[in-house]
Amino acid sequence: EAQVTQNPRYLITVTGKKLTVTCSQNMNHEYMSWYRQDPGLGLRQIYYSMNVEVTDKGDVPEGYKVSRKEKRNFPLILESPSPNQTSLYFCASSGGAGVDGYTFGSGTRLTVV
Amino acid sequence: AQRVTQPEKLLSVFKGAPVELKCNYSYSGSPELFWYVQYSRQRLQLLLRHISRESIKGFTADLNKGETSFHLKKPFAQEEDSAMYYCALSRGSNYQLIWGAGTKLIIKP
Repeated sequence: EAQVTQNPRYLITVTGKKLTVTCSQNMNHEYMSWYRQDPGLGLRQIYYSMNVEVTDKGDVPEGYKVSRKEKRNFPLILESPSPNQTSLYFCASSGGAGVDGYTFGSGTRLTVV
Repeated sequence: AQRVTQPEKLLSVFKGAPVELKCNYSYSGSPELFWYVQYSRQRLQLLLRHISRESIKGFTADLNKGETSFHLKKPFAQEEDSAMYYCALSRGSNYQLIWGAGTKLIIKP
């Protein structure tokens, strides 16, 4: 089944403890992206990647890192999480230069205390 | 400036009534427009693409270039249509999407 898989689904952590949210797609898509979703603010893009070893900042990249060493994986790294990074995170991928739309992962609900 | 506007944060209609979720865009090129839906506690899913002119779950959306709109419509709302709906505009070949703020649709029994 074609899908984007995120892990974990839920995560509670403490301020400053490094964490990684994984994202993997099995559709051979070139494009992958991370979003955060907050009430009243909609979807905001964190980082995106056009292909292996090609990443770029989205609208809210501060406090996040990404890497794209393989085409299928696009992990999101929070080196030193803070409470304002408590949010619902979605990974997405696309293979059709935008016209095919995105396939989203099921989301990761992160709470930083 | 490139922008997608969904003027209604919340739309509440009765079951069986017609639904129209508004989406207006500002874009200098030829737009590729999408509607995405997010049911409670689920991932976002692609609902419609304007280029395919589909009807999914009874929803349709027509691109009106004169009014720069891409409103989502359904003639008879069902309770299972309650969800968050996002309109999005493709910036072209770089895969990037511009997102509206979303409209929460509530269908009352």
